[in-house]
Amino acid sequence: GENVEQHPSTLSVQEGDSAVIKCTYSDSASNYFPWYKQELGKGPQLIIDIRSNVGEKKDQRIAVTLNKTAKHFSLHITETQPEDSAVYFCAASTLRAGNMLTFGGGTRLMVKP
Amino acid sequence: GAGVSQSPRYKVAKRGQDVALRCDPISGHVSLFWYQQALGQGPEFLTYFQNEAQLDKSGLPSDRFFAERPEGSVSTLKIQRTQQEDSAVYLCASSLAFLGTHSTDTQYFGPGTRLTVL
Repeated sequence: GENVEQHPSTLSVQEGDSAVIKCTYSDSASNYFPWYKQELGKGPQLIIDIRSNVGEKKDQRIAVTLNKTAKHFSLHITETQPEDSAVYFCAASTLRAGNMLTFGGGTRLMVKP
Repeated sequence: GAGVSQSPRYKVAKRGQDVALRCDPISGHVSLFWYQQALGQGPEFLTYFQNEAQLDKSGLPSDRFFAERPEGSVSTLKIQRTQQEDSAVYLCASSLAFLGTHSTDTQYFGPGTRLTVL
């Protein structure tokens, strides 16, 4: 089955700096790659997603890039703010598996004011 | 509008007890998923429903775990004879689409139920 690796596991940045989180996946049939933000005591919240027919997607301070050949995708957050502090999860999905998501291990992002 | 809701938010059980966790998906969402999230880890798939049909239960860790969605809306995850290793957050997610559409659809997650087995 699908395997998703996520790095780094923790990331500390100064407010205003950029943060980059990287993920790799194993199943070349995966075609959907969402990113979720999870705050303490809450469920994961979708922040951005990308489908396999595009290489990059941007939404204000957040962008995601996808390299299908290398089977990796990345989350980029610019101008980080303290409220960006949370755990971020990447995930991959393939229609073959009934749309179930396979998650990475998570990255704890800390933005220091 | 209302999102996915789950109850109870917290559940403490003694080893050997049975528990039932409830999920109310977003109205009209066809697909419903259950995930298990151990402390400090990413969610892991348990089971998937399309309407009332349980199409994939490959992630259920043992036959002590049972899920149902009898009317195609509310779902219940039941764990019999709970063990300490069952302690985790159980997340429910729903999405509008179902297998067979041309694009994978967004899954919206509930707040989860934190189960602690003593």
